[in-house]
Amino acid sequence: EPEVTQTPSHQVTQMGQEVILRCVPISNHLYFYWYRQILGQKVEFLVSFYNNEISEKSEIFDDQFSVERPDGSNFTLKIRSTKLEDSAMYFCASTNQGAIYGYTFGSGTRLTVV
Amino acid sequence: GENVEQHPSTLSVQEGDSAVIKCTYSDSASNYFPWYKQELGKRPQLIIDIRSNVGEKKDQRIAVTLNKTAKHFSLHITETQPEDSAVYFCAASKTNAGKSTFGDGTTLTVKP
Repeated sequence: EPEVTQTPSHQVTQMGQEVILRCVPISNHLYFYWYRQILGQKVEFLVSFYNNEISEKSEIFDDQFSVERPDGSNFTLKIRSTKLEDSAMYFCASTNQGAIYGYTFGSGTRLTVV
Repeated sequence: GENVEQHPSTLSVQEGDSAVIKCTYSDSASNYFPWYKQELGKRPQLIIDIRSNVGEKKDQRIAVTLNKTAKHFSLHITETQPEDSAVYFCAASKTNAGKSTFGDGTTLTVKP
């Protein structure tokens, strides 16, 4: 069964540093998403991406965040100047027909900001 | 924006009993309602979904019901097994390229 792949699985970074989280969505999927989950809490929407542009973003997705699809396969989330409260599990998801179909989530990147 | 409330936050049942988790949503334009199961330390996985043109859907021991008028939907698990123990999230969506809004999750424990 096709999978969404995320790397790294765990990233530890110093506060103020930049991190890039990487995702390889399922190859025929067209809609890409980033969600985050603070430990023990719910899954929170960050951003959706379709047709090479952001289609929707949440209040969490402020100027320190950016997304990019640098080539035909990768989908990245960049966090500039990380803060302690950015510590969370970050999930990438993709679908071939949008948010009104079920997501396939990646296995997540656990980001720890120290 | 959409607000999804989920109850209960924790649920403990004996193996073989049924479990019911309920969600309400606020945006009447929402038309897709998935349920995800998340085992400890793992990714959420879609287990069942329902669309606004359907009132009920069943897949083996799992069923979902939707009441559009009241804006609530429920997950029913029958003949629960210890491997059903996990956190269950409901969600609501209304547009292709936008987001799913998740509930706060229900931690289900099935005691052998």
